[in-house]
Amino acid sequence: DQQVKQNSPSLSVQEGRISILNCDYTNSMFDYFLWYKKYPAEGPTFLISISSIKDKNEDGRFTVFLNKSAKHLSLHIVPSQPGDSAVYFCAAFGTTGNQFYFGTGTSLTVIP
Amino acid sequence: ETGVTQSPTHLIKTRGQQVTLRCSSQSGHNTVSWYQQALGQGPQFIFQYYREEENGRGNFPPRFSGLQFPNYSSELNVNALELDDSALYLCASSPGRRNTEAFFGQGTRLTVV
Repeated sequence: DQQVKQNSPSLSVQEGRISILNCDYTNSMFDYFLWYKKYPAEGPTFLISISSIKDKNEDGRFTVFLNKSAKHLSLHIVPSQPGDSAVYFCAAFGTTGNQFYFGTGTSLTVIP
Repeated sequence: ETGVTQSPTHLIKTRGQQVTLRCSSQSGHNTVSWYQQALGQGPQFIFQYYREEENGRGNFPPRFSGLQFPNYSSELNVNALELDDSALYLCASSPGRRNTEAFFGQGTRLTVV
Protein backbone atom coordinates (compact mmCIF):
# COMPACT_ATOMS: atom_id res chain seq x y z
CA ASP A 1 0.00 0.00 0.00
CA GLN A 2 1.67 3.18 -1.24
CA GLN A 3 1.11 5.80 1.45
CA VAL A 4 3.14 8.47 -0.34
CA LYS A 5 2.53 9.04 -4.02
CA GLN A 6 4.26 11.05 -6.68
CA ASN A 7 2.04 10.76 -9.70
CA SER A 8 4.36 12.44 -12.17
CA PRO A 9 7.30 10.18 -13.01
CA SER A 10 9.00 12.92 -14.99
CA LEU A 11 8.99 16.68 -15.53
CA SER A 12 10.86 18.90 -18.01
CA VAL A 13 11.32 22.61 -17.39
CA GLN A 14 13.24 25.36 -19.16
CA GLU A 15 16.16 26.88 -17.29
CA GLY A 16 15.08 29.93 -15.30
CA ARG A 17 11.46 28.84 -15.04
CA ILE A 18 9.69 27.40 -12.03
CA SER A 19 9.69 23.65 -11.35
CA ILE A 20 6.77 22.32 -9.32
CA LEU A 21 6.94 18.78 -8.02
CA ASN A 22 3.90 17.29 -6.33
CA CYS A 23 3.34 14.66 -3.68
CA ASP A 24 0.22 13.21 -2.08
CA TYR A 25 -0.09 11.12 1.05
CA THR A 26 -2.82 9.09 2.66
CA ASN A 27 -1.78 8.67 6.29
CA SER A 28 -3.01 11.46 8.57
CA MET A 29 -0.45 10.36 11.20
CA PHE A 30 2.41 11.75 9.13
CA ASP A 31 3.77 14.85 10.83
CA TYR A 32 7.02 15.58 9.03
CA PHE A 33 7.76 15.71 5.35
CA LEU A 34 10.98 15.91 3.43
CA TRP A 35 12.27 16.17 -0.09
CA TYR A 36 15.37 14.29 -1.13
CA LYS A 37 17.30 14.73 -4.34
CA LYS A 38 19.10 11.84 -5.98
CA TYR A 39 21.69 11.84 -8.73
CA PRO A 40 22.58 8.60 -10.53
CA ALA A 41 25.10 6.45 -8.63
CA GLU A 42 24.66 8.54 -5.48
CA GLY A 43 22.50 8.18 -2.41
CA PRO A 44 19.59 10.55 -1.75
CA THR A 45 20.61 13.90 -0.30
CA PHE A 46 18.36 15.91 1.96
CA LEU A 47 16.94 19.02 0.33
CA ILE A 48 14.26 20.59 2.48
CA SER A 49 11.69 19.59 5.09
CA ILE A 50 8.50 20.82 6.65
CA SER A 51 6.71 20.04 9.88
CA SER A 52 2.96 19.53 9.87
CA ILE A 53 2.53 22.61 12.06
CA LYS A 54 3.65 24.79 9.14
CA ASP A 55 2.28 25.28 5.66
CA LYS A 56 5.40 26.67 4.03
CA ASN A 57 9.15 26.41 4.39
CA GLU A 58 11.66 28.21 2.25
CA ASP A 59 15.37 27.69 1.70
CA GLY A 60 16.92 29.74 -1.05
CA ARG A 61 15.48 28.68 -4.39
CA PHE A 62 13.51 25.84 -2.79
CA THR A 63 10.11 26.18 -1.14
CA VAL A 64 7.93 23.40 0.15
CA PHE A 65 4.20 23.91 0.63
CA LEU A 66 2.01 21.67 2.75
CA ASN A 67 -1.77 21.45 2.47
CA LYS A 68 -2.82 19.15 5.29
CA SER A 69 -6.51 19.16 4.49
CA ALA A 70 -5.72 17.92 0.98
CA LYS A 71 -2.86 15.71 2.19
CA HIS A 72 -0.70 17.29 -0.47
CA LEU A 73 2.71 18.86 -0.57
CA SER A 74 4.68 20.45 -3.33
CA LEU A 75 8.25 21.52 -3.95
CA HIS A 76 8.87 24.71 -5.91
CA ILE A 77 12.26 25.43 -7.42
CA VAL A 78 12.74 28.99 -8.66
CA PRO A 79 14.64 29.64 -10.83
CA SER A 80 15.37 26.17 -12.11
CA GLN A 81 18.96 25.42 -13.09
CA PRO A 82 20.43 22.58 -15.17
CA GLY A 83 22.19 21.27 -12.04
CA ASP A 84 18.77 20.66 -10.53
CA SER A 85 18.24 17.81 -12.98
CA ALA A 86 17.86 14.75 -10.74
CA VAL A 87 15.24 12.43 -9.28
CA TYR A 88 13.29 14.02 -6.43
CA PHE A 89 11.74 11.88 -3.72
CA CYS A 90 9.06 13.00 -1.35
CA ALA A 91 9.21 11.30 2.06
CA ALA A 92 6.97 11.32 5.10
CA PHE A 93 7.57 10.50 8.73
CA GLY A 94 4.94 9.43 11.22
CA THR A 95 4.45 10.41 14.85
CA THR A 96 4.74 6.83 16.05
CA GLY A 97 7.29 5.45 13.68
CA ASN A 98 10.94 5.63 12.91
CA GLN A 99 10.92 5.07 9.18
CA PHE A 100 10.52 7.18 6.08
CA TYR A 101 7.76 6.44 3.65
CA PHE A 102 9.01 7.42 0.22
CA GLY A 103 7.20 8.24 -2.96
CA THR A 104 8.30 6.69 -6.24
CA GLY A 105 10.17 9.79 -7.34
CA THR A 106 9.91 12.41 -10.07
CA SER A 107 12.72 12.78 -12.56
CA LEU A 108 13.28 16.49 -13.22
CA THR A 109 15.10 17.64 -16.33
CA VAL A 110 16.01 21.31 -16.59
CA ILE A 111 16.67 22.23 -20.19
CA PRO A 112 19.36 24.89 -20.77
CA GLU B 1 33.54 14.43 9.67
CA THR B 2 33.12 11.44 7.36
CA GLY B 3 29.90 10.68 5.56
CA VAL B 4 27.99 7.45 5.25
CA THR B 5 29.90 4.86 3.25
CA GLN B 6 28.66 1.55 1.93
CA SER B 7 30.49 -1.44 0.55
CA PRO B 8 30.62 -2.95 -1.91
CA THR B 9 29.16 -0.55 -4.50
CA HIS B 10 28.14 -3.33 -6.86
CA LEU B 11 27.60 -7.04 -6.35
CA ILE B 12 26.35 -9.94 -8.44
CA LYS B 13 25.07 -13.06 -6.70
CA THR B 14 23.34 -16.26 -7.74
CA ARG B 15 19.85 -17.16 -6.61
CA GLY B 16 19.97 -19.09 -3.32
CA GLN B 17 23.24 -17.54 -2.17
CA GLN B 18 23.75 -15.32 0.84
CA VAL B 19 25.05 -11.74 0.82
CA THR B 20 26.38 -9.28 3.39
CA LEU B 21 26.31 -5.55 2.78
CA ARG B 22 28.16 -3.09 4.98
CA CYS B 23 27.61 0.45 6.12
CA SER B 24 29.76 2.87 8.07
CA SER B 25 27.64 5.53 9.70
CA GLN B 26 28.48 9.18 9.89
CA SER B 27 30.61 10.21 12.83
CA GLY B 28 28.46 10.85 15.90
CA HIS B 29 25.45 8.95 14.57
CA ASN B 30 24.13 6.03 16.62
CA THR B 31 21.22 4.99 14.39
CA VAL B 32 21.35 3.16 11.09
CA SER B 33 18.43 2.34 8.82
CA TRP B 34 18.42 0.16 5.73
CA TYR B 35 16.24 0.65 2.68
CA GLN B 36 15.67 -1.34 -0.49
CA GLN B 37 15.05 0.59 -3.69
CA ALA B 38 13.81 -1.54 -6.56
CA LEU B 39 13.98 -0.18 -10.08
CA GLY B 40 11.43 2.59 -10.64
CA GLN B 41 10.34 2.57 -7.00
CA GLY B 42 11.03 4.65 -3.96
CA PRO B 43 13.15 3.29 -1.12
CA GLN B 44 11.33 0.83 1.12
CA PHE B 45 12.21 0.56 4.83
CA ILE B 46 13.83 -2.75 5.83
CA PHE B 47 14.81 -2.11 9.45
CA GLN B 48 16.54 0.26 11.82
CA TYR B 49 19.23 -0.29 14.42
CA TYR B 50 19.69 2.00 17.40
CA ARG B 51 22.64 1.41 19.74
CA GLU B 52 23.06 -2.17 18.49
CA GLU B 53 19.39 -3.15 18.92
CA GLU B 54 16.79 -3.57 16.18
CA ASN B 55 14.37 -0.68 16.54
CA GLY B 56 11.71 -1.27 13.96
CA ARG B 57 11.23 -3.42 10.91
CA GLY B 58 9.40 -3.02 7.64
CA ASN B 59 7.54 -5.65 5.66
CA PHE B 60 10.50 -7.85 4.81
CA PRO B 61 10.88 -11.59 5.50
CA PRO B 62 13.20 -12.94 8.22
CA ARG B 63 15.86 -13.87 5.66
CA PHE B 64 16.68 -10.15 5.77
CA SER B 65 18.65 -9.67 8.97
CA GLY B 66 21.00 -7.09 10.33
CA LEU B 67 23.56 -6.20 12.88
CA GLN B 68 24.96 -3.04 14.39
CA PHE B 69 28.39 -2.93 15.96
CA PRO B 70 29.67 -0.92 18.97
CA ASN B 71 31.14 1.65 16.58
CA TYR B 72 27.61 1.97 15.09
CA SER B 73 28.58 0.54 11.73
CA SER B 74 26.08 -1.98 10.40
CA GLU B 75 25.57 -5.02 8.21
CA LEU B 76 22.60 -6.18 6.20
CA ASN B 77 22.48 -9.91 5.54
CA VAL B 78 20.18 -11.53 3.04
CA ASN B 79 19.88 -15.31 2.91
CA ALA B 80 18.46 -17.51 0.16
CA LEU B 81 18.62 -14.74 -2.41
CA GLU B 82 15.75 -14.43 -4.86
CA LEU B 83 15.70 -12.68 -8.21
CA ASP B 84 13.38 -10.00 -6.76
CA ASP B 85 16.06 -9.06 -4.24
CA SER B 86 17.87 -7.32 -7.08
CA ALA B 87 17.81 -3.66 -6.04
CA LEU B 88 19.78 -0.73 -4.71
CA TYR B 89 20.29 -1.09 -0.96
CA LEU B 90 20.63 2.17 0.90
CA CYS B 91 21.96 2.76 4.35
CA ALA B 92 21.05 5.91 6.26
CA SER B 93 22.53 7.13 9.50
CA SER B 94 21.18 9.67 11.95
CA PRO B 95 21.95 10.98 15.42
CA GLY B 96 18.80 9.53 16.93
CA ARG B 97 15.99 7.06 16.46
CA ARG B 98 13.64 9.61 14.99
CA ASN B 99 15.89 10.19 12.04
CA THR B 100 13.98 12.97 10.36
CA GLU B 101 17.03 14.17 8.47
CA ALA B 102 19.02 11.07 7.81
CA PHE B 103 22.15 11.01 5.72
CA PHE B 104 22.27 8.33 3.07
CA GLY B 105 25.17 6.39 1.66
CA GLN B 106 25.63 5.94 -2.08
CA GLY B 107 24.08 2.49 -1.95
CA THR B 108 25.02 -1.04 -2.97
CA ARG B 109 23.63 -2.26 -6.27
CA LEU B 110 22.81 -5.97 -5.84
CA THR B 111 22.01 -8.08 -8.87
CA VAL B 112 20.73 -11.61 -8.35
CA VAL B 113 20.98 -13.91 -11.37
